[in-house]
Amino acid sequence: EAGVAQSPRYKIIEKRQSVAFWCNPISGHATLYWYQQILGQGPKLLIQFQNNGVVDDSQLPKDRFSAERLKGVDSTLKIQPAKLEDSAVYLCASSPTPDSEQYFGPGTRLTVT
Amino acid sequence: GENVEQHPSTLSVQEGDSAVIKCTYSDSASNYFPWYKQELGKRPQLIIDIRSNVGEKKDQRIAVTLNKTAKHFSLHITETQPEDSAVYFCAALFGGRDDKIIFGKGTRLHILP
Repeated sequence: EAGVAQSPRYKIIEKRQSVAFWCNPISGHATLYWYQQILGQGPKLLIQFQNNGVVDDSQLPKDRFSAERLKGVDSTLKIQPAKLEDSAVYLCASSPTPDSEQYFGPGTRLTVT
Repeated sequence: GENVEQHPSTLSVQEGDSAVIKCTYSDSASNYFPWYKQELGKRPQLIIDIRSNVGEKKDQRIAVTLNKTAKHFSLHITETQPEDSAVYFCAALFGGRDDKIIFGKGTRLHILP
């Protein structure tokens, strides 16, 4: 069974530039999560999808971050414009249901200079 | 609001000794409590989880206990080994209109030779 795929793995951009991350969850997993993990901290949930609907986006900075999950499968997370404090690892995870094991992708390490 | 507190933030134990990490949560409606292990540079992986209808669950050297009245749950690792060195995150699923998972800030566990 293929795991959660993410791309790119690494990205370096200057502040005020835009960036997009892509996630392909495990086939059949209805729940998809995007997390921001700053070095030394726990994953912070940015947005949770159930199929193609948003369950929770209360911690998503909506003035600069956006996410979508087309057709309830792949998802993209965009930052526009980026700030220095956005430097972090962005993790995508998926699970069959919210109360089951989450499978994490390898993450995208974003550096904003 | 929904919150998960995790203690301690750092823990050092002698190889062979036991380690205990504790978490408390803010909402009595939580019914699913997973624990994730994240090794340096790797993605989080589920090591054990517990649901609200049981008070304890074991898997070899790892056990989790849950006290719903006191709203806390703990991870116990016995006979610690060098490969147990990692960051451990507790999490709780908060129900209501939509189920969402909240992670603790993590505990960095060092196993001393």
